[in-house]
Amino acid sequence: AQSVTQLDSHVSVSEGTPVLLRCNYSSSYSPSLFWYVQHPNKGLQLLLKYTSAATLVKGINGFEAEFKKSETSFHLTKPSAHMSDAAEYFCVVSLPSGGSYIPTFGRGTSLIVHP
Amino acid sequence: DADVTQTPRNRITKTGKRIMLECSQTKGHDRMYWYRQDPGLGLQLIYYSFDVKDINKGEISDGYSVSRQAQAKFSLSLESAIPNQTALYFCATSEGLAGGPAPDTQYFGPGTRLTVL
Repeated sequence: AQSVTQLDSHVSVSEGTPVLLRCNYSSSYSPSLFWYVQHPNKGLQLLLKYTSAATLVKGINGFEAEFKKSETSFHLTKPSAHMSDAAEYFCVVSLPSGGSYIPTFGRGTSLIVHP
Repeated sequence: DADVTQTPRNRITKTGKRIMLECSQTKGHDRMYWYRQDPGLGLQLIYYSFDVKDINKGEISDGYSVSRQAQAKFSLSLESAIPNQTALYFCATSEGLAGGPAPDTQYFGPGTRLTVL
């Protein structure tokens, strides 16, 4: 079975401090991995994706993620949080299933940014 | 104009009523998806369609049906709504690669908030 686990349901940081949102996956295959962000009362927007190229992936708004196969992880980081980063973040793994790739979402991590 | 639109944006209905949620896209993508979002559960896939003639059940299809009227339109129906179908519903599209499957970026609509009383 394939799955994706976001290790924290909530992460709270102060503005200007680093952000770390953790994601682990389980799979027998080499996955494609995505991070999406959902701001309040909005749809989801792609932050970044990994599709077997460089293991360190840079995304929008200063976010980046590193694919570590040995740890089956794809953690999202940002050096300095901004108030506008407060949102829900979803890790998504896309794995082959019956000849297609079906995305599976983690349960989400709510990022809270304090002034 | 938004690339993926959903109507209605909000709907309150009663148990037992039939409800249709509509999704339209101008991105020209073949693949379309319906998800529901419940607090703390992430997004769960209800149905997906890789082209007009292809409809597939997702992980939580019971109580739902879909119709792919055209490449650009994908509707979700609740034949007889029940309170535990109260949720935020999202439509999404993705491009795919010609001739084969691909793990590609999804583009989401703004969501429909459905309340079943």
